[in-house]
Amino acid sequence: GALVYQYPRRTICKSGTSMRMECQAVGFQATSVAWYRQSPQKTFELIALSTVNSAIKYEQNFTQEKFPISHPNLSFSSMTVLNAYLEDRGLYLCGAREGNSDYTFGSGTRLLVI
Amino acid sequence: AQSVTQPDARVTVSEGASLQLRCKYSSSVTPYLFWYVQYPRQGLQLLLKYYSGDPVVQGVNGFEAEFSKSNSSFHLRKASVHWSDSAVYFCAVRSGTGGYKVVFGSGTRLLVSP
Repeated sequence: GALVYQYPRRTICKSGTSMRMECQAVGFQATSVAWYRQSPQKTFELIALSTVNSAIKYEQNFTQEKFPISHPNLSFSSMTVLNAYLEDRGLYLCGAREGNSDYTFGSGTRLLVI
Repeated sequence: AQSVTQPDARVTVSEGASLQLRCKYSSSVTPYLFWYVQYPRQGLQLLLKYYSGDPVVQGVNGFEAEFSKSNSSFHLRKASVHWSDSAVYFCAVRSGTGGYKVVFGSGTRLLVSP
């Protein structure tokens, strides 16, 4: 079956430092990867959508300068939270899909900023 | 633009009782509709989805949902809840063929009391 793994599962970083998180698709080709953030007590906000061989599309309020994303092949994507502050804490969710299929979501990376 | 409204932030039901979680959507094109569940400290799991056809769709663990185009709704139901159903439930919408963005509702926290 199609699975998406995210790591680390949880992480703590000091305010002002950066944190890289990874997303791996298993059992299918991740032609598109979507990164979401769930801030405490809130819903999932789309950060950006990455499609292989296309430019990464960032949603309003999210920028490449703050959340650079790499999607080098059909099984892997990573995102870095640069210069993290308290408002960046939350659950970062990766969803991947092949073609126009449904997204398969990982279990997320929980980021705590201290 | 698409949007999803879950009007009930919290729902409490007794174990064994029936359940309905409400979801209203807005979409300018034929929507694909989803219900996801998030258990404590975990990511998202797909409960069920609707693309077309029979407006009542069956999902895992006895959940079902009914699509109503006239009411722009996609309510989730279960005949008899179990304490393990306590979680946060998210309704989501994606535009049909070619749509890449999944938009989530704000979520409904379900508490099943003994």
